[in-house]
Amino acid sequence: AQTVTQSQPEMSVQEAETVTLSCTYDTSENNYYLFWYKQPPSRQMILVIRQEAYKQQNATENRFSVNFQKAAKSFSLKISDSQLGDTAMYFCAFMISYSGGGADGLTFGKGTHLIIQP
Amino acid sequence: NAGVTQTPKFQVLKTGQSMTLQCAQDMNHEYMSWYRQDPGMGLRLIHYSVGAGITDQGEVPNGYNVSRSTTEDFPLRLLSAAPSQTSVYFCASRRDGLETQYFGPGTRLLVL
Repeated sequence: AQTVTQSQPEMSVQEAETVTLSCTYDTSENNYYLFWYKQPPSRQMILVIRQEAYKQQNATENRFSVNFQKAAKSFSLKISDSQLGDTAMYFCAFMISYSGGGADGLTFGKGTHLIIQP
Repeated sequence: NAGVTQTPKFQVLKTGQSMTLQCAQDMNHEYMSWYRQDPGMGLRLIHYSVGAGITDQGEVPNGYNVSRSTTEDFPLRLLSAAPSQTSVYFCASRRDGLETQYFGPGTRLLVL
């Protein structure tokens, strides 16, 4: 079974600062995907960024980037130039690479509540 | 495209009552799944389906039934609701071969 651990229940930074959210995972699989999801007070799950395990290059989406360390099973999220609208719960998630009728489903961490202070 | 839709948005049940949470997607996705989210927890997988007529259990399946008679719909049934099933329920779907899951807006369920 896979496990995902987010060790920071809550973080608070000032607007425009850079913040890094931590995530570690445990798996014996070799082909998988990692994700960061944002959940604002509206409860909607919003995909922030994803990383394929076979890619060594770290994924980047505008102000969001990841530091993927496969050997260490670490997948941290960096938010640059943080904005008030970044205030939300952030969940790290893992999915085995299934296709052609295999199994399905994400394994989530417990989340980090990020607060951006004005 | 409406994406993934869920009804109702909010429901109050009494212990022992039954109900069905509806989930539909209009993207012709093969994979659909149900998750529950409890306070202080991430989402946990209840059941999933890899295509019409095929379902399987996730991490926390007890107390829930599912069926998948069409590609579009994946209802979640609570046969006899218990207070432990008070939670927010999310439905998700994805296309075979692509890893991105699309989530519905969630259904908040309160069992008294």
